[in-house]
Amino acid sequence: GIQVEQSPPDLILQEGANSTLRCNFSDSVNNLQWFHQNPWGQLINLFYIPSGTKQNGRLSATTVATERYSLLYISSSQTTDSGVYFCASLRGNMLTFGGGTRLMVKP
Amino acid sequence: DVKVTQSSRYLVKRTGEKVFLECVQDMDHENMFWYRQDPGLGLRLIYFSYDVKMKEKGDIPEGYSVSREKKERFSLILESASTNQTSMYLCASSPTSGRTLLAKNIQYFGAGTRLSVL
Repeated sequence: GIQVEQSPPDLILQEGANSTLRCNFSDSVNNLQWFHQNPWGQLINLFYIPSGTKQNGRLSATTVATERYSLLYISSSQTTDSGVYFCASLRGNMLTFGGGTRLMVKP
Repeated sequence: DVKVTQSSRYLVKRTGEKVFLECVQDMDHENMFWYRQDPGLGLRLIYFSYDVKMKEKGDIPEGYSVSREKKERFSLILESASTNQTSMYLCASSPTSGRTLLAKNIQYFGAGTRLSVL
């Protein structure tokens, strides 16, 4: 099956800093999704991005399908950005998740 | 808004007990999923169901079973709980049909059940 790897596994930022999270996948995928899990465990879909670039406020994501990676950019980070970020690829109806990047934003 | 509700946020059970985790969604979604989440491993699919009484194994079905008697409810069953099943369990649902490909591919998650097996 498809392997999904994320880096870095842990990240600590000072409020206001920018960061880039990376997701590599082992095979061509027809879609890629990014999720944020808040400290209370709730998982929210951020982006559905099979290719190209999308932006939503301070967050943006880019997927280069031909090179099998996706990047999530967080600009001007805030403490509310803390949590775990997952990327996942969809095969049929099933998602394969990466191991996640745990982000802590300090005030 | 889609709502996926898991019956318990925290559960503590003893080894060998039969454990039921319940999940209810209110959006008439065809697909429902059970995942477990462990540090560094992300979410791994245990089982999913694409219709009432229909189920398919995910990546790690061993030690688990599921039940879907009604469209809105999907239950995960640990027949005889073991300590290695201590984990966070997440339920999700998604539609089969949708106006766009995006609408069909979005999974909506519950808040999770943290299960400890002692």
